[in-house]
Amino acid sequence: AQSVTQLGSHVSVSEGALVLLRCNYSSSVPPYLFWYVQYPNQGLQLLLKYTSAATLVKGINGFEAEFKKSETSFHLTKPSAHMSDAAEYFCAVSAANFGNEKLTFGTGTRLTIIP
Amino acid sequence: EPEVTQTPSHQVTQMGQEVILRCVPISNHLYFYWYRQILGQKVEFLVSFYNNEISEKSEIFDDQFSVERPDGSNFTLKIRSTKLEDSAMYFCASSDATGAYEQYFGPGTRLTVT
Repeated sequence: AQSVTQLGSHVSVSEGALVLLRCNYSSSVPPYLFWYVQYPNQGLQLLLKYTSAATLVKGINGFEAEFKKSETSFHLTKPSAHMSDAAEYFCAVSAANFGNEKLTFGTGTRLTIIP
Repeated sequence: EPEVTQTPSHQVTQMGQEVILRCVPISNHLYFYWYRQILGQKVEFLVSFYNNEISEKSEIFDDQFSVERPDGSNFTLKIRSTKLEDSAMYFCASSDATGAYEQYFGPGTRLTVT
């Protein structure tokens, strides 16, 4: 079974500051890990994914995340926040098997950017 | 760029009524999913579908729910007798059979049960 814990339901950062959104996972099998972003009244857009290749993963809009097996973490970072980054961010995990594995989502982190 | 589409964007129905939510997955994808998000809560898995049958379903997906792929392009979720607690955003997703089975999500259907 898989689960995801996102620490901090709300995070506020100043424009231009570092963004750090935390995600810890639990998985009984090797995981695939994902970060999705949801803008108000929209669907889920994939930011980046970890699929057992490079542990540092780069995604869209300047975001990246590092898979740390020893810490069971997959934190999302961006060096310099932009106003357009304000959204809800969801970390998700699936089992790295062949087949249509379901995604298990965390509770989400709402990111607010302070001008 | 190919995308998952869903109709309607918003559905209002009375308790006890049947609703059908429609999705058109990306054309070469083989795996299909429904998730839901109750307002203010996390996204929850409902069901996955492959090769014209359910692969996995959650405890939420009880006998009131069903899924169907009636033709080569549509994927539907039916709720037979809606309850107030079915009010949520319902997302359809699809994935292909390569790589990490990245799931592409549609924009969602907001279901309001009154």
